[in-house]
Amino acid sequence: DGGITQSPKYLFRKEGQNVTLSCEQNLNHDAMYWYRQDPGQGLRLIYYSQIVNDFQKGDIAEGYSVSREKKESFPLTVTSAQKNPTAFYLCASTPGDRFNEQFFGPGTRLTVL
Amino acid sequence: GENVEQHPSTLSVQEGDSAVIKCTYSDSASNYFPWYKQELGKRPQLIIDIRSNVGEKKDQRIAVTLNKTAKHFSLHITETQPEDSAVYFCAAGSARQLTFGSGTQLTVLP
Repeated sequence: DGGITQSPKYLFRKEGQNVTLSCEQNLNHDAMYWYRQDPGQGLRLIYYSQIVNDFQKGDIAEGYSVSREKKESFPLTVTSAQKNPTAFYLCASTPGDRFNEQFFGPGTRLTVL
Repeated sequence: GENVEQHPSTLSVQEGDSAVIKCTYSDSASNYFPWYKQELGKRPQLIIDIRSNVGEKKDQRIAVTLNKTAKHFSLHITETQPEDSAVYFCAAGSARQLTFGSGTQLTVLP
């Protein structure tokens, strides 16, 4: 549980605004991930990063951007180009070895007004 | 890419009965198959996982089976309790990248 945090827990945004979701981990994990969860659906991968200063698009990257300037931090920006941003966003991290579980943060619920 | 299908989407069982959730995957290169439990409004938490060189794994009331030839794996919960009520997700891939199923809402009726 501990070691990976997300903030804020709830976030409200007006249409047309960009917003940045924070994800921090102190587990010394190499890899970090952002997922989106919609009601009745599984987790869909937005972006992931295996090492600092490198990241890859997931299945639904359009309208999102990320950065990985530090090993501990992997912020996600939801841009105005994301057509339906209201969702529950989960960040995860893993040591990066082949068979290690992904540890999830508590999530941020984003609502667009 | 990988495609994971999970069934059923909802499952209700009486307390003490068993529950079975099934998943299929498409990519034969997948070698890691975790199961996560997510309570309402909470983060997913790993409950059991299996690697491709193993056919079955058990941890107390929870077991997972894997059939690599058929590309399917299942979660078995025995002697269900009300606290088992949650959404369960399967996933397939490697630990570096996972594809998740759509989830099963399990309700254990007292």
